[in-house]
Amino acid sequence: GAGVSQTPSNKVTEKGKYVELRCDPISGHTALYWYRQSLGQGPEFLIYFQGTGAADDSGLPNDRFFAVRPEGSVSTLKIQRTERGDSAVYLCASSLLGGSSYNEQFFGPGTRLTVL
Amino acid sequence: ILNVEQSPQSLHVQEGDSTNFTCSFPSSNFYALHWYRWETAKSPEALFVMTLNGDEKKKGRISATLNTKEGYSYLYIKGSQPEDSATYLCAFPPGANSKLTFGKGITLSVRP
Repeated sequence: GAGVSQTPSNKVTEKGKYVELRCDPISGHTALYWYRQSLGQGPEFLIYFQGTGAADDSGLPNDRFFAVRPEGSVSTLKIQRTERGDSAVYLCASSLLGGSSYNEQFFGPGTRLTVL
Repeated sequence: ILNVEQSPQSLHVQEGDSTNFTCSFPSSNFYALHWYRWETAKSPEALFVMTLNGDEKKKGRISATLNTKEGYSYLYIKGSQPEDSATYLCAFPPGANSKLTFGKGITLSVRP
């Protein structure tokens, strides 16, 4: 079966530009998560959706970052006025149910964002 | 601040060697402990979700143990193979909800 997919796989942009990263979760999974991994660090939580709503956005670093999941499936992470420090691998994960610490999360391959 | 520590940072072993990694986490308010394997150019893959003190789980040559009272988990790989080369991540939910706090990972390289 299809796993979590993310597009694009690589994105190179210039400082100050706007980017959108897309995540297609596993069909039927209600929970969706965004993480980002900066060089030398482990993945860092950004935001968690339960259905269409953001249940926890405490990891978004500032108001340049925004994410949506309008129909409860595909999600888009949007970054305005990109900065060089935004360069990282952005990972998306989904799980069948959310709201529990022991639900297995299934990850996509990530989008590598490079801001020049 | 919730800290999840992993050691060593990297490991280079010969094919056939057995290896083990450590993940340390806060022992108070334990909910679960997740182990992931992340091969280059692939998606992180869940290995184990561990919830009970004394848990031992096994998948092929890989096994893991959990000690929630002292706040650590061990991951063992028996008879390492080149295909085991990957980054091994542990992750700890800081609360009853499902977001994960990850360690920095351990990069394993197995030489043929």
